Order: sequence, then structure tokens, then C-alpha cells
Amino acid sequence: ETGVTQTPRHLVMGMTNKKSLKCEQHLGHNAMYWYKQSAKKPLELMFVYSLEERVENNSVPSRFSPECPNSSHLFLHLHTLQPEDSALYLCASSQELGSSGNTIYFGEGSWLTVV
Amino acid sequence: AQSVAQPEDQVNVAEGNPLTVKCTYSVSGNPYLFWYVQYPNRGLQFLLKYITGDNLVKGSYGFEAEFNKSQTSFHLKKPSALVSDSALYFCAVRDNLGYSTLTFGKGTMLLVSP
Repeated sequence: ETGVTQTPRHLVMGMTNKKSLKCEQHLGHNAMYWYKQSAKKPLELMFVYSLEERVENNSVPSRFSPECPNSSHLFLHLHTLQPEDSALYLCASSQELGSSGNTIYFGEGSWLTVV
Repeated sequence: AQSVAQPEDQVNVAEGNPLTVKCTYSVSGNPYLFWYVQYPNRGLQFLLKYITGDNLVKGSYGFEAEFNKSQTSFHLKKPSALVSDSALYFCAVRDNLGYSTLTFGKGTMLLVSP
């Protein structure tokens, strides 16, 4: 069990579909993150939110659209994805951003397959 | 810029033997260093971190890591490996100069044989 919950755990979608990944953290943290983990590639940071404001967007294609309605919830809206977007999407949270030793805690991930 | 290198794609060790998973880093300021473990079909789990103080850090499941500033290394160790330790291990670093996020290594697969 982790303090970061992701749903769904598995998602198969067509290239024309619209779907969303959901993340909820129960740790009282102020920062939330989306990471992408693909086979044989390093972990990629996609988006960072601090106190519900986006502070980082690492050149992610617009077919990925994040939403952070409050400090406990984070969504990743998916639209017209490509097969190469198939990956494990990890949500994470931490106490705060900034130069600190704060630990980032991860959810179990959402396995996305684009067909 | 900050970076992490995990030079080994895979480490093989027999159960009961000591294990070491290597990590070296590069940062502009002082480092904050982390180890995470990922079991199959799971997310990343935090194992331990070095912020300051004692160079030997103890973490979950009997793991420890030694910070070596002169060698810019933070190797993960365990005195006696278990088959259940078989997993993917990630080293990560963040510097202490203003805002920065974690940079992860590419991961090292640890296989512990019975």
C-alpha cells in the first residue's frame, strides 16, 4: 500500500480515444508529478505541480494534458495518442518543491497501451 | 546540470552473498541522493536517502548506502542478499542550489539466485 493511488492500473485505448488517468495522494503533500517510464529508457519527468500550479512542463506533446484541481488530486488527460506513447505512467508527490531533501513518493502506476 | 550514472544494467548475486549496486553522480552544488526499488508491475518504492551527516545511510529491507564525496558515488549495499531482493533499482540525485527536481539513473536489474 502506498500513500499515492493511481487509477486505472491498466488502460487500453485507441488512437482516437479520449481517456484520463487519475492520481490521489493521501500524504498531505503540496507537490505532485507525472513521470513516464518506457522500456529501456530512463524515467522521464513530464509535469510538476506545486500548490496546484504547474511549474514544469518538459516539452511534453499537447496530446497529454495535466490537470491539478487541488493539492491531493492530479489527472492526465489523454487525447489522440500514438502507439509510442504506450508506457507506464507514474504519479508521485512530495512535501514541497525546492532545494530540499524531500522524498518523492510514487504510486503503483498506470499501464497504458495505445492500439 | 545534474546527472546520475548506473554503470551496470544487471547485477547477479547468489542468495546469502553481499550485494553492491553502483551509482555515481554529478551536481553543481551539494547532492541529495536517493535509492528506489521497483518490483515487477509496481511503482517505485523509496529505500533510503542521503541529505547530510553520516556517510553511511541505512534504509528499508536491510539496505544501506555509502556516500563518497571524493568519488562522487552512492553505492547501494546489503550484507546478505535474498531472492526477494530481485528487482530494478534506481539511483537519483538532486542538487541543493535552488529549485530542482530529481534526476534518475537508468536503473540496474538485480537478480538474486537461490
